[in-house]
Amino acid sequence: NAGVTQTPKFRILKIGQSMTLQCAQDMNHNYMYWYRQDPGMGLKLIYYSVGAGITDKGEVPNGYNVSRSTTEDFPLRLELAAPSQTSVYFCASSHGLAGSDTQYFGPGTRLTVL
Amino acid sequence: QKEVEQNSGPLSVPEGAIASLNCTYSDRGSQSFFWYRQYSGKSPELIMFIYSNGDKEDGRFTAQLNKASQYVSLLIRDSQPSDSATYLCAVTGGGNKLTFGTGTQLKVEL
Repeated sequence: NAGVTQTPKFRILKIGQSMTLQCAQDMNHNYMYWYRQDPGMGLKLIYYSVGAGITDKGEVPNGYNVSRSTTEDFPLRLELAAPSQTSVYFCASSHGLAGSDTQYFGPGTRLTVL
Repeated sequence: QKEVEQNSGPLSVPEGAIASLNCTYSDRGSQSFFWYRQYSGKSPELIMFIYSNGDKEDGRFTAQLNKASQYVSLLIRDSQPSDSATYLCAVTGGGNKLTFGTGTQLKVEL
């Protein structure tokens, strides 16, 4: 099992550009999440999904969009990139067992917006 | 707004000592509590979770929960240099969305 994979590992964007961060999991998990982590900070939830076709906003959704057409994939779209979106982005997945649900994280994408 | 507070550290302990990491949370409805370890430049990985008051042990790690005081801690016995990392506390209110603290940096010195 590859677990949770993310591409790309690094990316530099110019202000106003758009891009899609890819995330895939092969553990047949229903739940998937996108977080951002700024230097010296904890993780902030951007969006999450409880299954294919179902997504919902997290704590910091502005400037991002998601879709979930399959169980395996959960891409994150950045429209009109801004310097404030410079961060490390982590995708995670879990079974969805409330109370004891372990989230498994991908290796992250380090994004710089200049 | 749910908040999870951790001392950012760094917390320095000598090799072989007990490291004690603390976390407080604001939402009394929080039900499950997780400790993640994050090495520099890497993704978080789960160490353990706890949802009942008291202690839960897993190898060298012990999680302690006191819901009345809204306090959860992680003890690492016989600390090793390989334990040097940032430890993230996360809580959930019974659903699946985690609220993370900012993490405590632990340094285990030879």
